[in-house]
Amino acid sequence: GAVVSQHPSWVICKSGTSVKIECRSLDFQATTMFWYRQFPKQSLMLMATSNEGSKATYEQGVEKDKFLINHASLTLSTLTVTSAHPEDSSFYICSAPPGGAMADTQYFGPGTRLTVL
Amino acid sequence: KQEVTQIPAALSVPEGENLVLNCSFTDSAIYNLQWFRQDPGKGLTSLLLIQSSQREQTSGRLNASLDKSSGRSTLYIAASQPGDSATYLCAVSLGSGGATNKLIFGTGTLLAVQP
Repeated sequence: GAVVSQHPSWVICKSGTSVKIECRSLDFQATTMFWYRQFPKQSLMLMATSNEGSKATYEQGVEKDKFLINHASLTLSTLTVTSAHPEDSSFYICSAPPGGAMADTQYFGPGTRLTVL
Repeated sequence: KQEVTQIPAALSVPEGENLVLNCSFTDSAIYNLQWFRQDPGKGLTSLLLIQSSQREQTSGRLNASLDKSSGRSTLYIAASQPGDSATYLCAVSLGSGGATNKLIFGTGTLLAVQP
């Protein structure tokens, strides 16, 4: 099956620094990728839709200037948490639909645990 | 705005028991519904996907049903095993392809199967 990877799997940073998380589709191309955030003991909340070659679409309440998304190629989307603060500590997961005949299927990355001190 | 709710929030059962997890959604205009499994601190594993035109899907000991008109889905797990212990999430999709493929997740059910 299709594989989506994320890097890093976990990161600890100081308050005020920026952190970049990568999401890669390893064996298929993805014109669209999705970024989700999951706080402890809560469900996944969609943050934004990453579109290859164009601007990301953000969900209501998500600050686009704080969560920068770049989808520069058909296999890579990056999420940068700028000036991270402790309240940004969360589990970030990306997903990608392979498209074509598999358009209804989504493959999820293993997630990135961000801890901001 | 689509809202997805799961009941119960947590469930503990002895090994071997059959169980049902419930998912409800407020807007019946969905494209499909999926059930996922999430182990602690891990990503998601897709279990079953039901298209809006389908009534149920089966995979091994798992059976998922969908009643789109009433906004409900159930996940039936037969002969539960300790390895089934995880959080189960349902999610609805509003469309196929591109941005409409985004998923709205339910609140999750934490399942513990006691040996």
